[in-house]
Amino acid sequence: AQSVTQPDIHITVSEGASLELRCNYSYGATPYLFWYVQSPGQGLQLLLKYFSGDTLVQGIKGFEAEFKRSQSSFNLRKPSVHWSDAAEYFCAVVAMEYGNKLVFGAGTILRVKS
Amino acid sequence: DARVTQTPRHKVTEMGQEVTMRCQPILGHNTVFWYRQTMMQGLELLAYFRNRAPLDDSGMPKDRFSAEMPDATLATLKIQPSEPRDSAVYFCASGLNNQPQHFGDGTRLSIL
Repeated sequence: AQSVTQPDIHITVSEGASLELRCNYSYGATPYLFWYVQSPGQGLQLLLKYFSGDTLVQGIKGFEAEFKRSQSSFNLRKPSVHWSDAAEYFCAVVAMEYGNKLVFGAGTILRVKS
Repeated sequence: DARVTQTPRHKVTEMGQEVTMRCQPILGHNTVFWYRQTMMQGLELLAYFRNRAPLDDSGMPKDRFSAEMPDATLATLKIQPSEPRDSAVYFCASGLNNQPQHFGDGTRLSIL
């Protein structure tokens, strides 16, 4: 069965600093990979997705992620963090033989200090 | 922008009562998902529909939970009888085939 690991439960960065959130997946074939963001009291919003093709994908709000098959990773990055980026971030994977069921990581809470 | 609509946004009730949560998926989407989010367990998939047919409800306690799609514009999740351990935020999401899911803002359920 596929699984997703987000090794960092909390991350704190200074406003303006760069950010990288880690995500590793376990799945035999090429998965469909996603990053979602959740602000307090809100649902999950899709930041970006990887299905195939270029391994560096651009998303909304200035985020990008890179798919590295050799490392089974799909890390999320942003060159300069804004205070409004404080939220919880979820990496997710879909294995198409299970329909488009998402399997989520445990999430990483991002704190931004001024 | 099209949105997934969930009602109610908040629900507080006593244990033993029936709880019904509703979801209006985005028009044209053919897959609907119910998730539960808690601090301890994170996001758990409860049930999954495609073209209104239940495909997987293995994540749902069968003795008290039921999920249905009476029509393409409405999905329901019922708990009867409710228990304090059911307190959580319940999310509905909809999608089209293998495209990303869109989430509603959730129903925050508190069982006293």
